[in-house]
Amino acid sequence: NAGVTQTPKFRVLKTGQSMTLLCAQDMNHEYMYWYRQDPGMGLRLIHYSVGEGTTAKGEVPDGYNVSRLKKQNFLLGLESAAPSQTSVYFCASNPPGQGLGGYTFGSGTRLTVV
Amino acid sequence: DQQVKQNSPSLSVQEGRISILNCDYTNSMFDYFLWYKKYPAEGPTFLISISSIKDKNEDGRFTVFLNKSAKHLSLHIVPSQPGDSAVYFCAASVIQGAQKLVFGQGTRLTINP
Repeated sequence: NAGVTQTPKFRVLKTGQSMTLLCAQDMNHEYMYWYRQDPGMGLRLIHYSVGEGTTAKGEVPDGYNVSRLKKQNFLLGLESAAPSQTSVYFCASNPPGQGLGGYTFGSGTRLTVV
Repeated sequence: DQQVKQNSPSLSVQEGRISILNCDYTNSMFDYFLWYKKYPAEGPTFLISISSIKDKNEDGRFTVFLNKSAKHLSLHIVPSQPGDSAVYFCAASVIQGAQKLVFGQGTRLTINP
């Protein structure tokens, strides 16, 4: 049981390049989320999804797009990377109706934009 | 506007003593609170939670206290062990709906032998 898997683990982008971060979960969780972690700021919600085919904006959505075509996958896209998007990105999944103890995070993707 | 705040960036405690980590929140709509532990190069892992209908929840060495009138919660670890050295995040949520988490800035706990 792998839980939440994020790929890639590390990436360096040049300003203006695009990329997609992949999140996959094998727990059949309905809800999925993308957070970013920056020094001194904790984790902030970028986008989230409450089911296959649905997405919604979080606290810091600008510059990102997401898609949830399959229940188990949640993709985060950067169309034109900027240095301000240098961060560690965490994906999480959550089974609603069970409190919040089942909220499970991936190990993160460290992205550097130069 | 920081809805969840952890005002101590770091805390150093001697092994065997009690560690107390604090967290304040401003949004009265929050009804569920969690603590996460994070090691370097890993994702946050769930530690303990508490619903707003309770004022205390205990799990082994970990106890979370909630003071709704003060909008304050704390995590007590006793006795502290070297393996407890990590960054601890406080998070708050509304149990209904999308269950989005709002995190504090984190506190780096170091347990000294």
